Amino acid sequence: NAGVTQTPKFQVLKTGQSMTLQCAQDMNHNSMYWYRQDPGMGLRLIYYSASEGTTDKGEVPNGYNVSRLNKREFSLRLESAAPSQTSVYFCASLDGRNTEAFFGQGTRLTVV
Amino acid sequence: GENVEQHPSTLSVQEGDSAVIKCTYSDSASNYFPWYKQELGKRPQLIIDIRSNVGEKKDQRIAVTLNKTAKHFSLHITETQPEDSAVYFCAARRNDYKLSFGAGTTVTVRA
Repeated sequence: NAGVTQTPKFQVLKTGQSMTLQCAQDMNHNSMYWYRQDPGMGLRLIYYSASEGTTDKGEVPNGYNVSRLNKREFSLRLESAAPSQTSVYFCASLDGRNTEAFFGQGTRLTVV
Repeated sequence: GENVEQHPSTLSVQEGDSAVIKCTYSDSASNYFPWYKQELGKRPQLIIDIRSNVGEKKDQRIAVTLNKTAKHFSLHITETQPEDSAVYFCAARRNDYKLSFGAGTTVTVRA
Protein backbone atom coordinates (compact mmCIF):
# COMPACT_ATOMS: atom_id res chain seq x y z
CA ASN A 1 0.00 0.00 0.00
CA ALA A 2 2.01 2.98 -1.30
CA GLY A 3 -0.57 5.74 -0.58
CA VAL A 4 -0.05 8.73 -2.88
CA THR A 5 2.85 8.50 -5.32
CA GLN A 6 4.19 11.42 -7.34
CA THR A 7 6.67 11.32 -10.19
CA PRO A 8 9.18 12.74 -10.74
CA LYS A 9 10.64 13.85 -7.39
CA PHE A 10 12.91 16.47 -8.95
CA GLN A 11 12.84 18.23 -12.32
CA VAL A 12 14.66 21.10 -13.97
CA LEU A 13 13.04 22.69 -17.00
CA LYS A 14 14.01 25.45 -19.34
CA THR A 15 11.60 28.33 -19.84
CA GLY A 16 9.04 27.37 -22.46
CA GLN A 17 9.38 23.60 -22.06
CA SER A 18 6.39 21.48 -21.19
CA MET A 19 6.02 18.62 -18.77
CA THR A 20 3.47 16.53 -16.93
CA LEU A 21 3.59 15.72 -13.23
CA GLN A 22 2.06 12.37 -12.43
CA CYS A 23 0.10 11.42 -9.32
CA ALA A 24 -1.44 8.08 -8.44
CA GLN A 25 -3.20 6.85 -5.30
CA ASP A 26 -4.04 3.29 -4.32
CA MET A 27 -6.51 4.05 -1.52
CA ASN A 28 -9.63 4.16 -3.73
CA HIS A 29 -10.14 7.82 -2.87
CA ASN A 30 -12.68 9.88 -4.75
CA SER A 31 -11.10 13.34 -4.49
CA MET A 32 -7.65 14.43 -5.66
CA TYR A 33 -5.79 17.72 -5.49
CA TRP A 34 -2.74 19.58 -6.80
CA TYR A 35 -1.04 22.24 -4.66
CA ARG A 36 2.06 24.32 -5.01
CA GLN A 37 4.12 25.33 -1.98
CA ASP A 38 6.23 28.45 -1.99
CA PRO A 39 8.04 29.98 1.02
CA GLY A 40 5.68 32.12 3.09
CA MET A 41 2.68 31.34 0.92
CA GLY A 42 1.52 28.02 2.25
CA LEU A 43 -0.17 25.41 0.11
CA ARG A 44 -2.04 27.04 -2.74
CA LEU A 45 -4.65 25.00 -4.57
CA ILE A 46 -4.08 24.75 -8.32
CA TYR A 47 -6.83 22.32 -9.37
CA TYR A 48 -8.92 19.68 -7.72
CA SER A 49 -11.07 16.77 -8.78
CA ALA A 50 -13.91 16.03 -6.40
CA SER A 51 -14.65 12.74 -8.15
CA GLU A 52 -13.67 10.80 -11.25
CA GLY A 53 -14.76 12.72 -14.34
CA THR A 54 -14.76 16.17 -12.75
CA THR A 55 -12.09 18.84 -12.36
CA ASP A 56 -12.31 22.37 -10.96
CA LYS A 57 -10.01 25.36 -10.70
CA GLY A 58 -8.43 26.28 -7.41
CA GLU A 59 -6.87 29.57 -6.39
CA VAL A 60 -3.91 29.60 -8.84
CA PRO A 61 -4.86 27.67 -12.02
CA ASN A 62 -3.24 29.92 -14.62
CA GLY A 63 -0.50 28.19 -16.61
CA TYR A 64 -1.64 24.70 -15.63
CA ASN A 65 -3.98 22.00 -16.94
CA VAL A 66 -5.08 18.78 -15.30
CA SER A 67 -6.46 15.42 -16.31
CA ARG A 68 -8.28 12.96 -14.08
CA LEU A 69 -7.30 9.94 -16.09
CA ASN A 70 -9.23 7.47 -13.92
CA LYS A 71 -10.06 7.13 -10.25
CA ARG A 72 -6.42 6.46 -9.34
CA GLU A 73 -4.55 9.05 -11.42
CA PHE A 74 -4.56 12.85 -11.56
CA SER A 75 -1.92 14.56 -13.69
CA LEU A 76 -0.79 18.19 -13.80
CA ARG A 77 0.55 19.66 -17.04
CA LEU A 78 2.65 22.75 -17.59
CA GLU A 79 2.37 23.63 -21.30
CA SER A 80 5.01 26.38 -21.35
CA ALA A 81 6.99 26.54 -18.13
CA ALA A 82 7.90 29.92 -16.63
CA PRO A 83 10.37 30.77 -13.83
CA SER A 84 7.36 31.81 -11.68
CA GLN A 85 6.32 28.14 -11.68
CA THR A 86 9.44 27.14 -9.76
CA SER A 87 7.97 25.52 -6.67
CA VAL A 88 7.34 22.32 -4.76
CA TYR A 89 4.22 20.59 -6.04
CA PHE A 90 2.13 18.30 -3.86
CA CYS A 91 -0.60 15.94 -4.91
CA ALA A 92 -3.17 14.85 -2.31
CA SER A 93 -6.20 12.60 -2.15
CA LEU A 94 -9.06 11.99 0.24
CA ASP A 95 -12.05 9.77 0.70
CA GLY A 96 -15.23 11.71 1.35
CA ARG A 97 -16.35 9.28 4.05
CA ASN A 98 -13.18 9.84 6.01
CA THR A 99 -11.80 13.29 6.12
CA GLU A 100 -8.03 13.03 6.19
CA ALA A 101 -6.20 14.14 3.03
CA PHE A 102 -3.06 12.16 2.27
CA PHE A 103 -0.17 13.85 0.48
CA GLY A 104 2.43 12.60 -1.91
CA GLN A 105 6.11 13.21 -1.22
CA GLY A 106 6.24 16.28 -3.44
CA THR A 107 7.94 17.25 -6.71
CA ARG A 108 10.59 19.95 -6.62
CA LEU A 109 10.42 21.79 -9.94
CA THR A 110 12.93 24.41 -11.03
CA VAL A 111 12.37 26.45 -14.19
CA VAL A 112 15.46 28.26 -15.47
CA GLY B 1 -13.69 31.19 -3.48
CA GLU B 2 -12.41 30.29 -0.06
CA ASN B 3 -9.83 32.52 1.57
CA VAL B 4 -8.11 31.14 4.67
CA GLU B 5 -5.99 33.56 6.65
CA GLN B 6 -3.57 32.31 9.28
CA HIS B 7 -1.70 34.14 12.05
CA PRO B 8 1.00 34.44 13.17
CA SER B 9 3.40 33.47 10.39
CA THR B 10 6.12 32.61 12.92
CA LEU B 11 5.89 31.68 16.59
CA SER B 12 8.71 31.05 19.04
CA VAL B 13 7.86 29.55 22.43
CA GLN B 14 9.79 28.27 25.42
CA GLU B 15 9.60 24.53 25.94
CA GLY B 16 6.68 23.78 28.23
CA ASP B 17 4.72 26.89 27.28
CA SER B 18 1.59 26.94 25.12
CA ALA B 19 1.28 27.88 21.46
CA VAL B 20 -1.82 29.27 19.77
CA ILE B 21 -2.40 29.66 16.04
CA LYS B 22 -5.48 31.41 14.69
CA CYS B 23 -7.27 31.15 11.35
CA THR B 24 -10.24 32.77 9.70
CA TYR B 25 -12.20 31.62 6.67
CA SER B 26 -14.54 33.44 4.35
CA ASP B 27 -16.79 30.83 2.70
CA SER B 28 -19.91 29.93 4.67
CA ALA B 29 -20.06 26.64 2.72
CA SER B 30 -16.97 25.39 4.56
CA ASN B 31 -17.90 22.60 6.95
CA TYR B 32 -14.66 20.86 7.92
CA PHE B 33 -11.48 22.36 9.36
CA PRO B 34 -8.31 20.25 9.55
CA TRP B 35 -4.85 21.15 10.84
CA TYR B 36 -1.71 19.75 9.27
CA LYS B 37 1.88 19.59 10.53
CA GLN B 38 4.80 19.65 8.11
CA GLU B 39 8.29 18.83 9.28
CA LEU B 40 11.26 20.06 7.28
CA GLY B 41 11.52 18.30 3.92
CA LYS B 42 8.46 16.13 4.54
CA ARG B 43 4.87 16.04 3.41
CA PRO B 44 2.04 17.61 5.47
CA GLN B 45 0.24 15.24 7.84
CA LEU B 46 -3.06 15.62 9.64
CA ILE B 47 -2.83 16.24 13.39
CA ILE B 48 -6.39 17.17 14.35
CA ASP B 49 -9.61 18.28 12.70
CA ILE B 50 -13.03 19.66 13.61
CA ARG B 51 -16.39 19.62 11.87
CA SER B 52 -18.69 22.59 11.65
CA ASN B 53 -21.22 21.13 14.11
CA VAL B 54 -18.61 20.88 16.89
CA GLY B 55 -17.18 23.76 18.93
CA GLU B 56 -14.10 22.16 20.45
CA LYS B 57 -12.04 18.99 20.13
CA LYS B 58 -9.04 17.81 22.12
CA ASP B 59 -6.41 15.13 21.56
CA GLN B 60 -3.80 14.91 24.32
CA ARG B 61 -1.75 18.13 24.15
CA ILE B 62 -3.49 19.62 21.11
CA ALA B 63 -6.94 21.14 20.87
CA VAL B 64 -8.93 22.97 18.25
CA THR B 65 -11.79 25.42 18.72
CA LEU B 66 -14.28 26.68 16.15
CA ASN B 67 -16.48 29.77 16.20
CA LYS B 68 -18.78 29.39 13.19
CA THR B 69 -20.48 32.73 13.70
CA ALA B 70 -17.20 34.61 13.58
CA LYS B 71 -15.64 32.17 11.08
CA HIS B 72 -12.64 31.70 13.35
CA PHE B 73 -10.83 28.52 14.36
CA SER B 74 -7.73 28.03 16.45
CA LEU B 75 -5.10 25.42 17.29
CA HIS B 76 -3.80 25.18 20.84
CA ILE B 77 -0.69 23.21 21.76
CA THR B 78 0.02 22.86 25.49
CA GLU B 79 3.26 21.81 27.21
CA THR B 80 5.23 22.29 24.01
CA GLN B 81 8.16 20.00 23.29
CA PRO B 82 11.08 20.30 20.83
CA GLU B 83 9.40 17.80 18.50
CA ASP B 84 6.51 20.24 18.11
CA SER B 85 8.81 22.48 16.05
CA ALA B 86 7.40 22.44 12.51
CA VAL B 87 5.19 24.36 10.10
CA TYR B 88 1.48 24.15 10.91
CA PHE B 89 -1.28 24.74 8.36
CA CYS B 90 -4.94 25.32 8.94
CA ALA B 91 -7.40 24.45 6.18
CA ALA B 92 -11.08 24.71 5.31
CA ARG B 93 -13.03 22.30 3.18
CA ARG B 94 -16.31 22.98 1.45
CA ASN B 95 -19.04 20.45 0.86
CA ASP B 96 -17.91 20.23 -2.81
CA TYR B 97 -14.55 18.98 -1.45
CA LYS B 98 -12.55 22.09 -2.32
CA LEU B 99 -9.78 22.09 0.32
CA SER B 100 -7.97 25.42 0.87
CA PHE B 101 -5.01 26.05 3.18
CA GLY B 102 -3.68 28.98 5.13
CA ALA B 103 -0.18 30.34 4.60
CA GLY B 104 1.31 28.39 7.49
CA THR B 105 2.89 29.12 10.88
CA THR B 106 6.49 28.19 11.60
CA VAL B 107 6.65 27.12 15.24
CA THR B 108 10.00 26.97 17.02
CA VAL B 109 10.17 25.48 20.50
CA ARG B 110 13.21 26.74 22.42
CA ALA B 111 14.82 24.30 24.84
